[in-house]
Amino acid sequence: QLHLQESGPQLVETSQTLSLTCAVSGGSIVGASYYWSWIRRPAGEGLEWLGFVSTSGATGYTSYSPSLNRRATISLDTSRNQFILRLRSVTAADTAFYYCAGMRVPHAPGRAFDLWGPGMPVTVSS
Amino acid sequence: AIQLTQSPSSVSGSVGDRVTIACRTSQDIRNNLAWFQHKPGIAPRLIIFSASVLERGVPERFSGSGSGTDFTLTIRSLQPEDFATYYCLTDYNDYTFGQGTKLEIK
Repeated sequence: QLHLQESGPQLVETSQTLSLTCAVSGGSIVGASYYWSWIRRPAGEGLEWLGFVSTSGATGYTSYSPSLNRRATISLDTSRNQFILRLRSVTAADTAFYYCAGMRVPHAPGRAFDLWGPGMPVTVSS
Repeated sequence: AIQLTQSPSSVSGSVGDRVTIACRTSQDIRNNLAWFQHKPGIAPRLIIFSASVLERGVPERFSGSGSGTDFTLTIRSLQPEDFATYYCLTDYNDYTFGQGTKLEIK
């Protein structure tokens, strides 16, 4: 059974790059039929999908939420069996609880995220 | 982008009550809808997918219904462990969540 665990700095300075890692255990990140995603929940708000990376091709196919204005990059680190979120030029609006999640492919309608990490808080402050 | 509107934003109930949460979408999404349960400090839990299919291991007091633009999550006979925030999600075009409904103890 696959398990996910987020890690990274919990405090990031305004205008810097937020970098979070999701370690996958219990199976290969490449062998598992998943797209690997990041989702966040700002304080007092709902959940927001940020993007995903697939494991097809040399670097994987990516898709991002338009709301991030091209600030995000999600990449694979297959040697460490993990995937990484980088979010550039952060502001206080990026302060949130961040979750990594797996989306099985193919999946039944609506069954997009059946695998989640426990999440971690990130605060953006000057 | 598809918009999901949940109602109510919060609801209170007692153990044993029946509770219904609605999710309306801005366009027809067929049955591409899921419901998640989220408690503070732990990962969201998938409870319903394809609008009405119960995820494995989820108690049968949870049920989902609807298609097109109007969907409902029903919890019959509330249990103490059911008090949480509930989100709907569609994966019809991209991935959009509702704003959440907080279920509190009355």
